[in-house]
Amino acid sequence: GAVVSQHPSWVICKSGTSVKIECRSLDFQATTMFWYRQFPKQSLMLMATSNEGSKATYEQGVEKDKFLINHASLTLSTLTVTSAHPEDSSFYICSAQSGSGADTQYFGPGTRLTVL
Amino acid sequence: AQSVTQLGSHVSVSEGALVLLRCNYSSSVPPYLFWYVQYPNQGLQLLLKYTSAATLVKGINGFEAEFKKSETSFHLTKPSAHMSDAAEYFCAGTDSGGYQKVTFGTGTKLQVIP
Repeated sequence: GAVVSQHPSWVICKSGTSVKIECRSLDFQATTMFWYRQFPKQSLMLMATSNEGSKATYEQGVEKDKFLINHASLTLSTLTVTSAHPEDSSFYICSAQSGSGADTQYFGPGTRLTVL
Repeated sequence: AQSVTQLGSHVSVSEGALVLLRCNYSSSVPPYLFWYVQYPNQGLQLLLKYTSAATLVKGINGFEAEFKKSETSFHLTKPSAHMSDAAEYFCAGTDSGGYQKVTFGTGTKLQVIP
């Protein structure tokens, strides 16, 4: 149980295009989902917290107009990187929370984005 | 806010030797603490978690960690390293047991030498 999937697992795009990454909780409902970014050989940095049916809460320094987050259902959240540039290349990981505490947070396998 | 510090970005051990990965937390409020493992190009897998119950927490793959409030530590150990343990390990924590965001340490890369 408690499986979180991400799609795609790997994406390469041209500079200036937009890329959408999906995060799904496969066997539980997640009222809250989190999006993280991980640079090579670095830790995970929280980008935003999204609650189903409401606007995402972005961490300081994260451009909300560039990283669009939609949490339209209890099992799906999407991250769209708009007008991607090479500096947006990174490993993006989502997590979904099945309960009220952080101990019920489960991570997806991640999406590797490479912007040429 | 909670911060988590991992001592040593790289740790090398021989196969069969003790694994000790260090983690210290900063919050004065009893936290939730976690250890995650990440294999190359993969997401995070939860090894174990401390949620203010037993101070010695046993996890998967033979790992365990002990919460020591007096030392504000949550070090990860395994009695005998296996080649498959080679990976990146992250310590993480929250400020309390409620609905709080998780803060990650900088990670420790474990190398197991045959």
